[in-house]
This record gives sequence, C-alpha cells and structure tokens, in this order.
Amino acid sequence: SQQGEEDPQALSIQEGENATMNCSYKTSINNLQWYRQNSGRGLVHLILIRSNEREKHSGRLRVTLDTSKKSSSLLITASRAADTASYFCATVPADSWGKLQFGAGTQVVVTP
Amino acid sequence: GAVVSQHPSRVICKSGTSVKIECRSLDFQATTMFWYRQFPKQSLMLMATSNEGSKATYEQGVEKDKFLINHASLTLSTLTVTSAHPEDSSFYICSASLPGLAGGLVNEQFFGPGTRLTVL
Repeated sequence: SQQGEEDPQALSIQEGENATMNCSYKTSINNLQWYRQNSGRGLVHLILIRSNEREKHSGRLRVTLDTSKKSSSLLITASRAADTASYFCATVPADSWGKLQFGAGTQVVVTP
Repeated sequence: GAVVSQHPSRVICKSGTSVKIECRSLDFQATTMFWYRQFPKQSLMLMATSNEGSKATYEQGVEKDKFLINHASLTLSTLTVTSAHPEDSSFYICSASLPGLAGGLVNEQFFGPGTRLTVL
C-alpha cells in the first residue's frame, strides 16, 4: 500500500526558481528517502533522512523532516531544465525491514 | 555508487507466453532485492522482496504463481511473468540493497533502469 502522499502532483517553474514539494506519511518511520525518475527510466536516489534528523542538505537539495507532523519537504534551489523529472518520497516504516513505500510523486517541469 | 542492471529493457510478447526479467547488481553483493511495478504516471508498487537462497515474500494481492521470483545468487534475481496477459503490461523495476547496519535494517536501495513489458 502507498503510504506517502505528495503535493503538488505537478509543478511547473522557470529555470532559476526554487521548487518545493511536500510528502506526508501515516506510520512511524525509520527513515525517509527522496528519489528522482526521468521519464521511462529507473529511480535515482537523492537523499536519505533518518527519523532523528530534521534537515539535510546535498548540493542544491534541502530536505526537512517533521516526525510530529509526519511530513517531509524537498527543496530544489536554483532549478535547471535538467531537473525536469518526477520526484518521489519513500518511507521505510519502522517495522518493515527496509521495504520502501512510495508516495504518488510530483512531476516537475523546469522551462528554460 | 552501486550499479544495478536489468535485462531486457523492453519486451513485447504475445498473450499466454512467459517472460523472464533479470536484475543484476554489478559491483556489489545484494542480500535483498525488491521488485516493483509502475503503471504510467503512477507510483511504484512493491510486488515482492527477494532474499538470496530463500523464497520471496510477496505483497498482499500479488499472485506468487503468476510472478515467479528466483534469487539464485547474491548478484542475480529474476522475475518471470507467467502466462502474460495485456493487463500485465507495465514497467517493472528492481532494486538491490546493501547489507544494513547493525540491527539488520537496509538503508538505501539502488534501482535498475526498468523493463517495459507490453503484452499483445
């Protein structure tokens, strides 16, 4: 079953702008991960944030996690056309032994 | 980073035939591999968890006799779609995980590029 709910479902921005997408989940988690998928391709792991962490950075990516609200956000700063892709959050529930539960995803289009 | 390959990348078959999809971890030994299914513009749905040398664990609603999984070695897992029908047409993605830290929890999954199955 899908645990993560993401919003917005789609996001269209211009190069240079920031893109923010949110993910909410329902059960206690071990960690939360963000992935990127280009059309018709496999997934690329972007960043993992553990349940005891609140914020994490990787290059132009910034992820926050609020376990009290069971939500996370992914911020892409200074977006580029190459950032056009679908972005998925995935949670590892606390009792799942590593199984990922994916959200519905956010389709991001960055226009030059 | 760790590389996972899938073969074939695309397959078209006739209804009633069986199709085998291979998932390989190229530069690491994967104790656990996962198989997902993705319909167009939708998210990934976990089908089964495959551990080397043991039977796969299937998610609720996934027919184990329909989707046969064999994890014969630490670098290879196969998914066979038996007696395929048009409704089995989908994008199948595997992932492999590295052995976890103390406590046995896996942390990161490395995904293959996916296999597009079209059943006519």
